Amino acid sequence: QSVLTQPPSASGTPGQRVTISCSGSSSNIGSNTVNWYQQLPGTAPKLLIYSNNQRPSGVPDRFSGSKSGTSASLAISGLQSEDEADYYCAAWDDSLNAVVFGGGTKLTVL
Amino acid sequence: QVQLVQSGAEVKKPGASVKVSCKASGYTFTSYGISWVRQAPGQGLEWMGWISAYNGNTNYAQKLQGRVTMTTDTSTSTAYMELRSLRSDDTAVYYCARDRAYYDILTGYSISFDYWGQGTLVTVSS
Repeated sequence: QSVLTQPPSASGTPGQRVTISCSGSSSNIGSNTVNWYQQLPGTAPKLLIYSNNQRPSGVPDRFSGSKSGTSASLAISGLQSEDEADYYCAAWDDSLNAVVFGGGTKLTVL
Repeated sequence: QVQLVQSGAEVKKPGASVKVSCKASGYTFTSYGISWVRQAPGQGLEWMGWISAYNGNTNYAQKLQGRVTMTTDTSTSTAYMELRSLRSDDTAVYYCARDRAYYDILTGYSISFDYWGQGTLVTVSS
């Protein structure tokens, strides 16, 4: 059971906009920033969004992040087939003194 | 360019130990920490702990306390993760990642992993 809660799956058609949610608590998302990682099949995770809504250099602006209270969201607009991957949210947890991850969301592009 | 290159796959028997290395290049090693993250087959990501490459300070996940040791060798820009008393549920791909952390009084802790190693598969089987 993951500390952060994500839907196990999401899907969309090419060109569509998809959002993935991440729910936490006051000790993690509620008091610290959220990061998102993309993991393509058979590869290491890649940082997609940091500090709630910042994109590392090279990440397309189709990817955006937001946070409100104890929840966060990742939005992907103009969905492309290469976006098919697992997506994980993560944050520091003040109570556990640890980085906690969501269980991951498998995105399927139909 | 920043690179983290990990050691090769390992097969261990239950009760044994494993030590995985992670050689960094392309940046000043002592300016960042290294976190270790593992992923069991078909499962999600699990943070194992962190080490400061600057002073060797560590912070381990509670469930691994007493079984894991993280170290660095600044002369070779290499980080190591040793896991002892291996069990079958330790079978996983182990990743090292460059840890970029800072604290802001308004937004709290921001701890992100901006570069990752390629992963090391550790299989624990009798």
